Amino acid sequence: DAKTTQPPSMDCAEGRAANLPCNHSTISGNEYVYWYRQIHSQGPQYIIHGLKNNETNEMASLIITEDRKSSTLILPHATLRDTAVYYCIVRFLYGQNFVFGPGTRLSVLP
Amino acid sequence: GAVVSQHPSRVICKSGTSVKIECRSLDFQATTMFWYRQFPKQSLMLMATSNEGSKATYEQGVEKDKFLINHASLTLSTLTVTSAHPEDSSFYICSAATGNDEQFFGPGTRLTVL
Repeated sequence: DAKTTQPPSMDCAEGRAANLPCNHSTISGNEYVYWYRQIHSQGPQYIIHGLKNNETNEMASLIITEDRKSSTLILPHATLRDTAVYYCIVRFLYGQNFVFGPGTRLSVLP
Repeated sequence: GAVVSQHPSRVICKSGTSVKIECRSLDFQATTMFWYRQFPKQSLMLMATSNEGSKATYEQGVEKDKFLINHASLTLSTLTVTSAHPEDSSFYICSAATGNDEQFFGPGTRLTVL
């Protein structure tokens, strides 16, 4: 079973920031938080991952709470092409597959 | 990031036939490849883990004699759906892990069994 819970769906206006929450209250000290997204009928696309510090790359920012029990993925300026299912996954860094939960279906609206 | 390809991207076959799906890591060597299955409106479910040169490890409920996996080289793993039936119709996705454990997903193969 997935170790994360996410809202099933969210809407966001085009050009605004999309903030996608994820709860992972049972995360262990060595588990990372990964975010992937899946656009319809495509394979999952890596977005970002982190352990305890906040992370930022060209796609998004990842904010992890101090107790590490939850995190937020931020897409700073959502576009229509960001409409997808977003998966938050916790995983040890080495050797494991990814366990996908149902994710959050983000709809970016014009 | 690294590129993983799958072939074919979609396939339609008759019930009872076998279908082979290829997963290739194009610019890196993958010691481990994973095969997932995704039914409509559902999430990805792991089917099996494939290590180069050894037998695949299957998840509970996945029939190893029906879903044959061969990982013959560090850049190629194949999944063969034997005697396919309509209930095997699904989106099959592979991922490949690099030596430093980055994983990259393929674009998926849509299988439709008539």
